[in-house]
Amino acid sequence: GENVEQHPSTLSVQEGDSAVIKCTYSDSASNYFPWYKQELGKRPQLIIDIRSNVGEKKDQRIAVTLNKTAKHFSLHITETQPEDSAVYFCAALNTGNQFYFGTGTSLTVIP
Amino acid sequence: GAVVSQHPSWVICKSGTSVKIECRSLDFQATTMFWYRQFPKQSLMLMATSNEGSKATYEQGVEKDKFLINHASLTLSTLTVTSAHPEDSSFYICSAMGPGEKLFFGSGTQLSVL
Repeated sequence: GENVEQHPSTLSVQEGDSAVIKCTYSDSASNYFPWYKQELGKRPQLIIDIRSNVGEKKDQRIAVTLNKTAKHFSLHITETQPEDSAVYFCAALNTGNQFYFGTGTSLTVIP
Repeated sequence: GAVVSQHPSWVICKSGTSVKIECRSLDFQATTMFWYRQFPKQSLMLMATSNEGSKATYEQGVEKDKFLINHASLTLSTLTVTSAHPEDSSFYICSAMGPGEKLFFGSGTQLSVL
């Protein structure tokens, strides 16, 4: 199956700074890569996603980049705010229509 | 957006009893649903893929006789934890593949086995 690795596991940034979270995947046939934000005790919420035919996608302060050759993708959050504090998960959808998740990054934005 | 409802949100049971968790897609049909287990401050561990009208596909190391999955309709999948023991205590969360191949999550079920 797919193996998704995510780094860092914890990340602290000052409010207003940028945060970057990186993921790698093993199955070159995986074609869809969503990012989820999970607040404590709540369900994961989709924040942005990218498909394998696109290299970059941006939605306001959030962007995702994909390097298919290197099999890695990254989440970029600019102008971070305290409400961005949460656990972020990357995921990859393989050809078997199964989602595999990274290990998560706990982001803390310090006011 | 697509909504996935999961019930119950919290259950406490005695060791040896069985617990059923329901996952419903409210405004879309889901031929595929997924069941995950999540430990505190850890990632989502895929347990099984539930396919409507057929047997579920279990991940390696997940006991199919322990975690019974039924996906009898396009809007409902159930996970039954049979003969639950304290080590089964965990946060169980379902998800469904909705419009655009996007994954939508239920609100999760916190299971505590005494």
